[in-house]
Amino acid sequence: AQSVAQPEDQVNVAEGNPLTVKCTYSVSGNPYLFWYVQYPNRGLQFLLKYITGDNLVKGSYGFEAEFNKSQTSFHLKKPSALVSDSALYFCAVSGNTPLVFGKGTRLSVIA
Amino acid sequence: NAGVTQTPKFRILKIGQSMTLQCAQDMNHNYMYWYRQDPGMGLKLIYYSVGAGITDKGEVPNGYNVSRSTTEDFPLRLELAAPSQTSVYFCASSRDSIISGANVLTFGAGSRLTVL
Repeated sequence: AQSVAQPEDQVNVAEGNPLTVKCTYSVSGNPYLFWYVQYPNRGLQFLLKYITGDNLVKGSYGFEAEFNKSQTSFHLKKPSALVSDSALYFCAVSGNTPLVFGKGTRLSVIA
Repeated sequence: NAGVTQTPKFRILKIGQSMTLQCAQDMNHNYMYWYRQDPGMGLKLIYYSVGAGITDKGEVPNGYNVSRSTTEDFPLRLELAAPSQTSVYFCASSRDSIISGANVLTFGAGSRLTVL
């Protein structure tokens, strides 16, 4: 069965500093990996995905994620955090079944 | 550009009552899903559908039923509400196959249900 782990419930970062939100996965075969973001009282919004090819994937709002097959990780990154990036971030994986989501990591960017 | 529309946004139920959460999408997506979100637990898949007339169970289907009579609509029914069903429910749809890496989900705004 496929699964996703987000080891941090909360990540705090100062505005302007780089941010990383961690994700590791377990899936049979080749993984399809996704990041979604949820703002308060809203549904989830797609940020980026990895299917195949270049290990560094670029997405919306300046976010990027690095796929590492040997470490089974797909960490979300941004070079310079904004206060408006504060939200709940979900990593998700799909193999041959519907998306499985992690528990989410709350990102707080402090001015 | 409505996308995925869920109604109601909020509802309070008494134990044992029944209700239906409505979900409609106007993107002509074949694939539709119901997830529930509980604090610290992420999203759990309840049911999904790959097209009109076809539904399948997800990870947590007990206590729920679904139907898919049209491409646009995918209602979720709670027959005998229990406190354990207090949650935020999200409907989503996608254009591409579940097993496709292009399977990007579009989510509704959510329905917050409280069972007392």
